[in-house]
Amino acid sequence: NAGVTQTPKFRVLKTGQSMTLLCAQDMNHEYMYWYRQDPGMGLRLIHYSVGEGTTAKGEVPDGYNVSRLKKQNFLLGLESAAPSQTSVYFCASSLGTQSYEQYFGPGTRLTVT
Amino acid sequence: AQTVTQSQPEMSVQEAETVTLSCTYDTSESDYYLFWYKQPPSRQMILVIRQEAYKQQNATENRFSVNFQKAAKSFSLKISDSQLGDAAMYFCAYRSAWPDHGGNQFYFGTGTSLTVIP
Repeated sequence: NAGVTQTPKFRVLKTGQSMTLLCAQDMNHEYMYWYRQDPGMGLRLIHYSVGEGTTAKGEVPDGYNVSRLKKQNFLLGLESAAPSQTSVYFCASSLGTQSYEQYFGPGTRLTVT
Repeated sequence: AQTVTQSQPEMSVQEAETVTLSCTYDTSESDYYLFWYKQPPSRQMILVIRQEAYKQQNATENRFSVNFQKAAKSFSLKISDSQLGDAAMYFCAYRSAWPDHGGNQFYFGTGTSLTVIP
């Protein structure tokens, strides 16, 4: 099992450019999540999905869009990147609710200049 | 939204000694789950330990144990016999047992950076 993988691992964008981050999991998990991690602020939830074809907003959804067309994939899109979106982005998945933990990907470091 | 507070941005411990990391949370629910995650310099988030709120017994995983005080809403992590490999950022997380009450989400604290001194 590869677990949770993220593509790409690093990216530099200019302000106004767009990009898509890809998250894939091979554990047949129902739940998937996108977080951003900034110094001193921990992990903040951007969007999440409780199943194929469903998405929901998290704590900081503005400027991002997501799609879950296949159960194993969760895409995070930035339509017009801004310097405030410079961050490390983590994808995670979970088998279900209750005591099931999240499994995390290795992260994507995004810099917007 | 639930709030998770880690009041110690940085901690240090001598190798082989014991250290306790603090975490408090705010909730009106009686059924929930608590987690400690470790993030070493590699950035990979790793689950250290979990606690079900309905269990009175504190969870233990080898050198890692928790002190869960439900009434005080406190969930501290104790690392015994600290090793150099324990150096990392540690995050406390909360999850409701009820999907309709935010159980689909995890709420994370801001983290505690642990340094292990040889």
